[in-house]
Amino acid sequence: QKEVEQDPGPLSVPEGAIVSLNCTYSNSAFQYFMWYRQYSRKGPELLMYTYSSGNKEDGRFTAQVDKSSKYISLFIRDSQPSDSATYLCAMSAWAGFQKLVFGTGTRLLVSP
Amino acid sequence: KAGVTQTPRYLIKTRGQQVTLSCSPISGHRSVSWYQQTPGQGLQFLFEYFSETQRNKGNFPGRFSGRQFSNSRSEMNVSTLELGDSALYLCASSLRTDNTGELFFGEGSRLTVL
Repeated sequence: QKEVEQDPGPLSVPEGAIVSLNCTYSNSAFQYFMWYRQYSRKGPELLMYTYSSGNKEDGRFTAQVDKSSKYISLFIRDSQPSDSATYLCAMSAWAGFQKLVFGTGTRLLVSP
Repeated sequence: KAGVTQTPRYLIKTRGQQVTLSCSPISGHRSVSWYQQTPGQGLQFLFEYFSETQRNKGNFPGRFSGRQFSNSRSEMNVSTLELGDSALYLCASSLRTDNTGELFFGEGSRLTVL
């Protein structure tokens, strides 16, 4: 079983929908949680990061971490076609973010 | 500000050959890490270098190696290539701070092993 599980999708939604992306994990040592977005033929780019449990909001994006359930979520409000990409959750047990454990990614398709 | 540059972008090799991939980090970034991305396994950590020293290593065989130069540029080498080494190899750099160690990824080197 993988340390981090993520539904590969694809997840198809109409423009303007609220999108919910999720990951579960098994390693209770993880403290730092990140969401990366990867467009086709590009490298991943950091969207959000949170430390320990709680919520963090940045514009249309909200990240939630529930360490008791070992479950993290990314919500996208008012989704746009430009949000169509693969979303990767990542986590680390260390303060330095270099050694990350990634989920396999969820492909999101937002149709106009 | 230039991003992370990886070369070559695409390459095809045959089993048993070796390959060297190059990564130039963002100017001022001293930490370089490497990841392998495949459809089935996703991104998997290979190793990290900081100030020419390997600080972390993932669970890959010894055929995978790397190094970092004094200008922070990094190379990774894969010897005795196997079909399963076909993947996108991503390099990422960071400032190596404890609070905001955001990884900046390059566009990757796509390796196909025939």
